[in-house]
Amino acid sequence: DADVTQTPRNRITKTGKRIMLECSQTKGHDRMYWYRQDPGLGLQLIYYSFDVKDINKGEISDGYSVSRQAQAKFSLSLESAIPNQTALYFCATSQSGSLYNEQFFGPGTRLTVL
Amino acid sequence: RKEVEQDPGPFNVPEGATVAFNCTYSNSASQSFFWYRQDCRKEPKLLMSVYSSGNEDGRFTAQLNRASQYISLLIRDSKLSDSATYLCVVKTNTGNQFYFGTGTSLTVIP
Repeated sequence: DADVTQTPRNRITKTGKRIMLECSQTKGHDRMYWYRQDPGLGLQLIYYSFDVKDINKGEISDGYSVSRQAQAKFSLSLESAIPNQTALYFCATSQSGSLYNEQFFGPGTRLTVL
Repeated sequence: RKEVEQDPGPFNVPEGATVAFNCTYSNSASQSFFWYRQDCRKEPKLLMSVYSSGNEDGRFTAQLNRASQYISLLIRDSKLSDSATYLCVVKTNTGNQFYFGTGTSLTVIP
């Protein structure tokens, strides 16, 4: 099955460390997204990309950066992690061209910043 | 004002019950609507898209009311396995972004 994968699945790190979360997809979709989810807040969009090297800020991009060097990969970096970035992070993909093309999500990365 | 608003619940219903969730959206330019299901600590998964004329998939029925800017999800004959959080999702044609509600929690009780 075509899939969306995320690595690592769990990560514990310390304040000030640089962290990279990776997302890969075999769906052939052109659009990729990074979200974070906190209890009671729902999914918040961090960054999104509609094509290779296309980068767009979402609602909460401060403290994060992304890279889209290939269509199948979209990485999220925390340059200097802080405790309030502790959250569940999801990568998602979708295909342009139809209003009813939905998003497909990866399994998530649980990040804890101490 | 949030793009998408949902009653967070929780809804606790007995097996076999019918339960309905509503969701309102603020952007009249919204074009596409979806219901996703999310199990605890798992990724959201598409439950069904919501079409203008309403649509049904087994025990699940989705309705769209553009004039009042809300969508609904009806679950009939609830099963224990329906226990999850249901996310309302709206997609606009302009920015082509997806906006998620905070989710409605459902627990089906034996």
